Amino acid sequence: RKEVEQDPGPFNVPEGATVAFNCTYSNSASQSFFWYRQDCRKEPKLLMSVYSSGNEDGRFTAQLNRASQYISLLIRDSKLSDSATYLCVVTLTGFQKLVFGTGTRLLVSP
Amino acid sequence: DVKVTQSSRYLVKRTGEKVFLECVQDMDHENMFWYRQDPGLGLRLIYFSYDVKMKEKGDIPEGYSVSREKKERFSLILESASTNQTSMYLCASSATWTGESYTFGSGTRLTVV
Repeated sequence: RKEVEQDPGPFNVPEGATVAFNCTYSNSASQSFFWYRQDCRKEPKLLMSVYSSGNEDGRFTAQLNRASQYISLLIRDSKLSDSATYLCVVTLTGFQKLVFGTGTRLLVSP
Repeated sequence: DVKVTQSSRYLVKRTGEKVFLECVQDMDHENMFWYRQDPGLGLRLIYFSYDVKMKEKGDIPEGYSVSREKKERFSLILESASTNQTSMYLCASSATWTGESYTFGSGTRLTVV
């Protein structure tokens, strides 16, 4: 079983739509959680951290469910510029590395 | 902004060649990482370093080695390149162990023929 699993998509949505991605992780000792964004042929960039209480950054909302071991990302009012691959990332307590999911591809169309 | 610079954007090498991928960061970060990214497999950690001359194996170190002689520079070495090492290689650096301050370089697309 992969440590971090994501639906690869693609998710095809029209502009203005709301879209949600989920990610599951296998290790209950996972300590920190993030969403990264990666544009085509570019490097990953941090989109937002995910906190236990949930957090919001503009149109983006991230939530963590430790009991079920999943993380979600909600994007409201999708823009064309949101088209990218979204990577779910976790770290383990005491381990000095990020573990990446394979990413979910989002395509926002006019 | 932290800048992580990888020496080459595209590289083509022959099987059996020794290949050096260079990465330099300009923010005095302690930690540096080398990942490779392949379709369907995501990013996988090859090696990382938390201090000068220190190195730790990641998940897929076979066929690779690293060098960190100066804090700002972390080199990935393919001792004898093989076609299965064709991939996108990404270097990253961070000041802490959390993901928030991970900054990636723009990547080197290596093709081994």
